[in-house]
Amino acid sequence: GAGVSQTPSNKVTEKGKYVELRCDPISGHTALYWYRQSLGQGPEFLIYFQGTGAADDSGLPNDRFFAVRPEGSVSTLKIQRTERGDSAVYLCASSLIQNSPLHFGNGTRLTVT
Amino acid sequence: AQTVTQSQPEMSVQEAETVTLSCTYDTSENNYYLFWYKQPPSRQMILVIRQEAYKQQNATENRFSVNFQKAAKSFSLKISDSQLGDTAMYFCAFTLPLIQGAQKLVFGQGTRLTINP
Repeated sequence: GAGVSQTPSNKVTEKGKYVELRCDPISGHTALYWYRQSLGQGPEFLIYFQGTGAADDSGLPNDRFFAVRPEGSVSTLKIQRTERGDSAVYLCASSLIQNSPLHFGNGTRLTVT
Repeated sequence: AQTVTQSQPEMSVQEAETVTLSCTYDTSENNYYLFWYKQPPSRQMILVIRQEAYKQQNATENRFSVNFQKAAKSFSLKISDSQLGDTAMYFCAFTLPLIQGAQKLVFGQGTRLTINP
């Protein structure tokens, strides 16, 4: 079956621009996560959705970052006024129920020039 | 706050050899979960093995096994009969039982493993 799909695979944008990153989880998975992986580091938690609501957004670095999941399936991570420090791989993961294993996508590599 | 440390940035072994990757963690909690993830060049994080802290028996998955030492807060991964396809970044990760329903994984910095033919 299809895994977690993330688009685009790569995104290059200029400093100050707005970007949207999309995550399409495995069908039927209610839990969805966003993580950020900077170069040479392990991923860091950003936000968690259970259904349509953001149950835990404690990892978002500042108010330029926002994520939505309006219908409880596809999620979009939105970054306003991008900065060079936002350059990283953004990983999405989903799980069937709250305590089941996470399934990760291939990530979106964001480069801010 | 919980932390995860992987002290080996890179390792390299010959095909068919056994290799052990090290991981230590810090927590004051008694109940938690530990994981090893593999990240090939595709960037996808793939779960290799999972260990519940309350289980004394070390987890095994085919050629992969762990040595979980709770008192020492150590969680090493052993790969037996290594294969070329095992070449990847390996990350150790920790999470407490669900917080507001979330599996908030804390990752180490990773070990780049190369299997040579």
